[in-house]
Amino acid sequence: AQTVTQSQPEMSVQEAETVTLSCTYDTSENNYYLFWYKQPPSRQMILVIRQEAYKQQNATENRFSVNFQKAAKSFSLKISDSQLGDTAMYFCACAGFQKLVFGTGTRLLVSP
Amino acid sequence: DSGVTQTPKHLITATGQRVTLRCSPRSGDLSVYWYQQSLDQGLQFLIQYYNGEERAKGNILERFSAQQFPDLHSELNLSSLELGDSALYFCASSGKDNYEQYFGPGTRLTVT
Repeated sequence: AQTVTQSQPEMSVQEAETVTLSCTYDTSENNYYLFWYKQPPSRQMILVIRQEAYKQQNATENRFSVNFQKAAKSFSLKISDSQLGDTAMYFCACAGFQKLVFGTGTRLLVSP
Repeated sequence: DSGVTQTPKHLITATGQRVTLRCSPRSGDLSVYWYQQSLDQGLQFLIQYYNGEERAKGNILERFSAQQFPDLHSELNLSSLELGDSALYFCASSGKDNYEQYFGPGTRLTVT
C-alpha cells in the first residue's frame, strides 16, 4: 500500500521569493515514481515535475526542483522566483505499478 | 494539452437521475483511471481499466459503474445521484510504463 502525506494545508509567499512544499510518502514497492501536480483555479491537473526513485539526482524543471531523500521517504518541492501564476493547489503523488496515490494538497498563494 | 479528452465539460442534473461521463485516453494508452474530486478535496481514486478489463477498484460506490470499450474509450456511469455526488470527475490514462498518468480536463458534475 502507498500513502502520501502533505502536512502544510496552506502556504504563502511573495513574488520572486522561494518556497518549499513538503511531502512524505510510504510505499512497499521497489520501483516507484514521485510526482508533483499543480491544480490552478481552472482545476486542470498539470504535471510539474517527476522523480524516478532509482535515480539519486534530484529532478529540476526550470524554476521547480525537488529534494528527494529516499531513506527518509521525503520528496519536497522548491519553487524559486515565485510568480503570481504559481498560485494553485499542489499535490504530491506516489506511483507504484498502475497505482497513483495523492496527498491532500497544499494551497499556495503567491502575493505581489 | 495532455491528449486525454473528457465530455461533457459541465453537467447539471437532479437528484435521483443517472448520467454518463465519457473519456478518451491518449493515443496508444491502454489504461484508463477515474478519479473524483469534491470541493477543496484531494483526488479519490475510483476505478481503473486496462485494455477493456477492470484492473483495480478504489472508493467507488455501488451506484457507480464504469467500462472500457474495444476502442479504449471509457464511460463512468453514475446513478441515483445524490447532492454529495457533486464533484469534478477526472479521467487519466497511462502508457506502457503504467507509472505516469495524464489527466483530462475533468467533468464538473452538479447535482441539484
